[in-house]
Amino acid sequence: QKEVEQNSGPLSVPEGAIASLNCTYSDRGSQSFFWYRQYSGKSPELIMSIYSNGDKEDGRFTAQLNKASQYVSLLIRDSQPSDSATYLCAVNSGNTGKLIFGQGTTLQVKP
Amino acid sequence: GAGVSQSPSNKVTEKGKDVELRCDPISGHTALYWYRQSLGQGLEFLIYFQGNSAPDKSGLPSDRFSAERTGGSVSTLTIQRTQQEDSAVYLCASSSTGGLAKNIQYFGAGTRLSVL
Repeated sequence: QKEVEQNSGPLSVPEGAIASLNCTYSDRGSQSFFWYRQYSGKSPELIMSIYSNGDKEDGRFTAQLNKASQYVSLLIRDSQPSDSATYLCAVNSGNTGKLIFGQGTTLQVKP
Repeated sequence: GAGVSQSPSNKVTEKGKDVELRCDPISGHTALYWYRQSLGQGLEFLIYFQGNSAPDKSGLPSDRFSAERTGGSVSTLTIQRTQQEDSAVYLCASSSTGGLAKNIQYFGAGTRLSVL
């Protein structure tokens, strides 16, 4: 079983729709959760971090964390073609700063 | 510097040669990480330095891989006797702390290694 799992996609949504990206993790000791966006040929850039159960909103992005169910999700409202990228879920390993990444979900937003 | 700097940006080498990849972290960041990303894959953790502590080498795939961090700043990842399966993008990241507390890692642009 992979430590951090994501559906590889591609997830295709029309412009203006809500994109929902999901991630599950296996380490119950994890306490820091991150979503990175990676455009093709570029390095990952952080878009959201979340540390407590519940929702965290930042502009069009909402991260949701449920530690009991060991999942974290990312919602992108009013999706734009510029949101088309691979979204990487990352979870810290145990009591360290080391991150374990999922394989990434490719999002395609069609005009 | 303003961000994490990696060099070279691209490296083409022949099978069996040694290569060195360099990472210069954000000034003041105490933690430094190396990851590897193969084509179409997620990031694979390689090694992690935190201050003066012994590095976490648990992700290094073989004894051909080694890394050092001099003076708590610049790091060099060395791959000896390169193999074709070593071809990947090698990403370096740094953060202001290496502990549990909410450290956010900032990535460099990566070094694309191609082993012929």
